[in-house]
Amino acid sequence: KAGVTQTPRYLIKTRGQQVTLSCSPISGHRSVSWYQQTPGQGLQFLFEYFSETQRNKGNFPGRFSGRQFSNSRSEMNVSTLELGDSALYLCASSLIAGQDTQYFGPGTRLTVL
Amino acid sequence: EDQVTQSPEALRLQEGESSSLNCSYTVSGLRGLFWYRQDPGKGPEFLFTLYSAGEEKEKERLKATLTKKESFLHITAPKPEDSATYLCAAYVSGGYNKLIFGAGTRLAVHP
Repeated sequence: KAGVTQTPRYLIKTRGQQVTLSCSPISGHRSVSWYQQTPGQGLQFLFEYFSETQRNKGNFPGRFSGRQFSNSRSEMNVSTLELGDSALYLCASSLIAGQDTQYFGPGTRLTVL
Repeated sequence: EDQVTQSPEALRLQEGESSSLNCSYTVSGLRGLFWYRQDPGKGPEFLFTLYSAGEEKEKERLKATLTKKESFLHITAPKPEDSATYLCAAYVSGGYNKLIFGAGTRLAVHP
């Protein structure tokens, strides 16, 4: 059974640009969550989608947004990139929303210059 | 404020030297406690889920336990391939349901 896939794996952008990251969950999983991981802040929750609806949102500015499609694939977008947005962005999927186990993808390493 | 704290921050062990990692949590509405292993440059790999105090789960050299205030990850006779960062996370409900991660314990096992 294929795991969570994320594309691209690496990205280099400059300040002020925008970026879109993609996540394909494990087949049959309907919930997708996004996290930002940095050395200083660790893993921080961005948002969670279930059945194309955003269920929960973490404490991040509005420049961070996401969406989920009918096939459960999800994208997250960061507009007007800042240097501090450099991080590993992780996507996790679970069968249902709630306290169900989340399985993580390999992440997208974003570097903002 | 909901908080998850892991200790120690880093741990160095000799191969075969057993030890425990600690995860203490101060959260309201704990729905589950998760342990993950993360290797450098990779996403976290799921290890265990614990739902209620007193629960224990084992997998090879790892055993996770849960009390009302903390969780332990016991590593018995570790091998160099157990070297990784171990993360614990609490799933909390109420308001925004979300997974709150600790900062992790970096484990190095030397032959």
